[in-house]
Order: sequence, then structure tokens, then C-alpha cells
Amino acid sequence: QKEVEQNSGPLSVPEGAIASLNCTYSDRGSQSFFWYRQYSGKSPELIMSIYSNGDKEDGRFTAQLNKASQYVSLLIRDSQPSDSATYLCAVDQTGANNLFFGTGTRLTVIP
Amino acid sequence: KAGVTQTPRYLIKTRGQQVTLSCSPISGHRSVSWYQQTPGQGLQFLFEYFSETQRNKGNFPGRFSGRQFSNSRSEMNVSTLELGDSALYLCASSDEQGSDTQYFGPGTRLTVL
Repeated sequence: QKEVEQNSGPLSVPEGAIASLNCTYSDRGSQSFFWYRQYSGKSPELIMSIYSNGDKEDGRFTAQLNKASQYVSLLIRDSQPSDSATYLCAVDQTGANNLFFGTGTRLTVIP
Repeated sequence: KAGVTQTPRYLIKTRGQQVTLSCSPISGHRSVSWYQQTPGQGLQFLFEYFSETQRNKGNFPGRFSGRQFSNSRSEMNVSTLELGDSALYLCASSDEQGSDTQYFGPGTRLTVL
């Protein structure tokens, strides 16, 4: 069983729609959860971090965490073509800057 | 603040050689983590340094090693290169040890021929 699992996609949504990205993790003791965006040929760029159950909003992005279900999601509202990228879910299981990454979901926003 | 910097950005080596990659963290950050990214395996954790001490190590062979200097700059070394070591090597820094946000550098693209 993989530590962090994501649908690899590709996920295609029309411009202006809501994109929903999902992630599950195996270690119930995980403490910190992150979403990174990675454009082709570039390094991962942090979008959101979330530590507590519930929702966390930042602009067009909302991260949702459900520790009981071991589930993290990222919603992107009003999707733009510039949001087209691979989205990586990362989980810090040990609390020591050791991130476990999912394989990423490739999102394409169609103009 | 300037971001995480990595040098060199691109590197071509042949099998059997060794290579040293460098990472300068964001000013004030004391934790540096290294990751390997390949199309097949995705992003995998190599090791993490905090205040010149290796605190965590991923599941990589001993050919992969690293160190951190007193100014928090870090280097990683790969000896006896294999074709499978071709990857993007990323370092990330954070200002605390433990569950803090990591910021990635641009990476070093290593190609082993």
C-alpha cells in the first residue's frame, strides 16, 4: 500500500469551473498536510498547508482535511488556464520534515 | 528574501563517476531536505539536515550521502553513479525542524550516461 495516493488523472475542467483534487494517506499519525503545484520542468511550489480537520481557504483555493477518513482534498474555484499543472499532495508523517508525496494529479483547464 | 538556490542546474555524468550537488536555503532556515524526482517513482525523500546533523534518512543506498555546513548550506554526494540515478534532485528548506512548510529550490537535473 502506497503511503500517499492520488488519482493520476488527467483531470480536465473548463475554465471557470471547480476542480476537485483528492488524496488519501495511510499513516493515521500523520501531522501535516501540504498541496504543491508543479509546472512542467519546474520545481514544486507550495499552495496550501493544513494541520487541523476542516476547511482552510486561501483565495480561490480550499484545502479540506478529514483525519478520521485519512483524506485530504484541494478545491480550485474559478479555474484558470494558468492553473494547468500537476498537483502534488504531501504528508509529513514523522513531524521531521520528511514529506511523503503522492504521484500527483495532472490538471488541465480548458479555455 | 531570496529563495532556495541550487547549483549546478544541469549536470551530465557517466556511470561510475561521482557528483556533488549544492543547496543554499532561504536565509534563516536551518532545515534542509533533499528529494529525488523521477517519472517512475515520483518525489522520494533522501535525507534531512538540521543544524549540521542528519535527522532523517530515506530508503536510498549508501552511495547517496550529504552534509550541512554551519551556515546551513547543504551538499549531497552520489558516488559510483548508475543510469537509474538520472533524476531531478530537489532541496527544500524550512525554518524549523518538524512539520514546518518546506520551500523548494529549482532543482538540479542530473543525467547519467
